[in-house]
Amino acid sequence: DTAVSQTPKYLVTQMGNDKSIKCEQNLGHDTMYWYKQDSKKFLKIMFSYNNKELIINETVPNRFSPKSPDKAHLNLHINSLELGDSAVYFCASSTRLETYEQYFGPGTRLTVT
Amino acid sequence: AQKITQTQPGMFVQEKEAVTLDCTYDTSDQSYGLFWYKQPSSGEMIFLIYQGSYDEQNATEGRYSLNFQKARKSANLVISASQLGDSAMYFCAMRDNTGGFKTIFGAGTRLFVKA
Repeated sequence: DTAVSQTPKYLVTQMGNDKSIKCEQNLGHDTMYWYKQDSKKFLKIMFSYNNKELIINETVPNRFSPKSPDKAHLNLHINSLELGDSAVYFCASSTRLETYEQYFGPGTRLTVT
Repeated sequence: AQKITQTQPGMFVQEKEAVTLDCTYDTSDQSYGLFWYKQPSSGEMIFLIYQGSYDEQNATEGRYSLNFQKARKSANLVISASQLGDSAMYFCAMRDNTGGFKTIFGAGTRLFVKA
């Protein structure tokens, strides 16, 4: 009965590889987000989607491509991984775009070697 | 541009005492929201409390209260009767309530509760 789930929880890969992180929410929410938390714990919005429509793209390199096949899923695909992509990536969702409370997934720790 | 500042990288508090975590913000928007999230060592982000810019009363949620001083642009979190389980990172965040509803986070304050 997990509300917001992410897979995988840990991801270790080499530079130059392409990888995906999946996110699913079973809360019936309209809006989903991706955040990146760096090694200093700084948390920054990357993308937000509302009803499968991209709302925020926060100057993220185009190696990062989110995909929302339906309202319950927002996946993050990363091409040509770089060392600086190492971080914890959080998916979140909210009832609607205007709703203030966001429910976060457990995070995916990505390590690029 | 919007900005959130948390000036306390780390704080210590004795169990059962109250503690205030500071947060100041900067925005030119009239309608915005202020939040606090807790991140325990396990890593998940937990929503604690919300204050809207037009809310006249300070928000409270159990042992958490948000001391909102609009003129000073501060939104401090007060935790009363600290418990050992309150040891965690605490993030202040702000969201514009128009347009893209983008949320930005402060750098966080690590709270240590001593027994």
